[in-house]
Amino acid sequence: RKEVEQDPGPFNVPEGATVAFNCTYSNSASQSFFWYRQDCRKEPKLLMSVYSSGNEDGRFTAQLNRASQYISLLIRDSKLSDSATYLCVVNPPNTGFQKLVFGTGTRLLVSP
Amino acid sequence: EAQVTQNPRYLITVTGKKLTVTCSQNMNHEYMSWYRQDPGLGLRQIYYSMNVEVTDKGDVPEGYKVSRKEKRNFPLILESPSPNQTSLYFCASSSGTGRYPTEAFFGQGTRLTVV
Repeated sequence: RKEVEQDPGPFNVPEGATVAFNCTYSNSASQSFFWYRQDCRKEPKLLMSVYSSGNEDGRFTAQLNRASQYISLLIRDSKLSDSATYLCVVNPPNTGFQKLVFGTGTRLLVSP
Repeated sequence: EAQVTQNPRYLITVTGKKLTVTCSQNMNHEYMSWYRQDPGLGLRQIYYSMNVEVTDKGDVPEGYKVSRKEKRNFPLILESPSPNQTSLYFCASSSGTGRYPTEAFFGQGTRLTVV
């Protein structure tokens, strides 16, 4: 089983729609979780960290479900500029504080 | 401007010809790492460095070397490139001073083709 698994998509949604992605992780002891955004073949950039209590940043909401070992990203009121690949990232335990394991990404396409 | 700079951005080379991809960051970060990104496989860590003169293997280190003689620079060396090293490479840095991972800043990427 992969350490981090994501549905590759693409998710095709119209502008204004709400879309959600899930990501599962294999190591139940993982402590830190993130969502990064990557535009086509460009560098990944941090979108948001995922906290145990869940967190929200504008139209974006991230949640962690430890019991089922998944994290989610919800995007409300989708914009054309949200079209990108969203990478789920996990810091596995006992690997050093800065070790990051990336999922293969979920591609989002927002159309007019 | 805080940034991670990689060079070159694009490189086509022949099998066996040694090459170096440079990476430099201006944020005084301790932690630096190299990743390769391939379709369907995501980003995989090649090597990382916790600080000057401290480097270690990541998940896919075979065929690569690194050095960290200065805090700001972390070059990736391919002594004898092979076609299976054709990939998109990213350098990243983070402050690495706390208990939990901090934001990783990535360079713009180097697209390497080995023929």
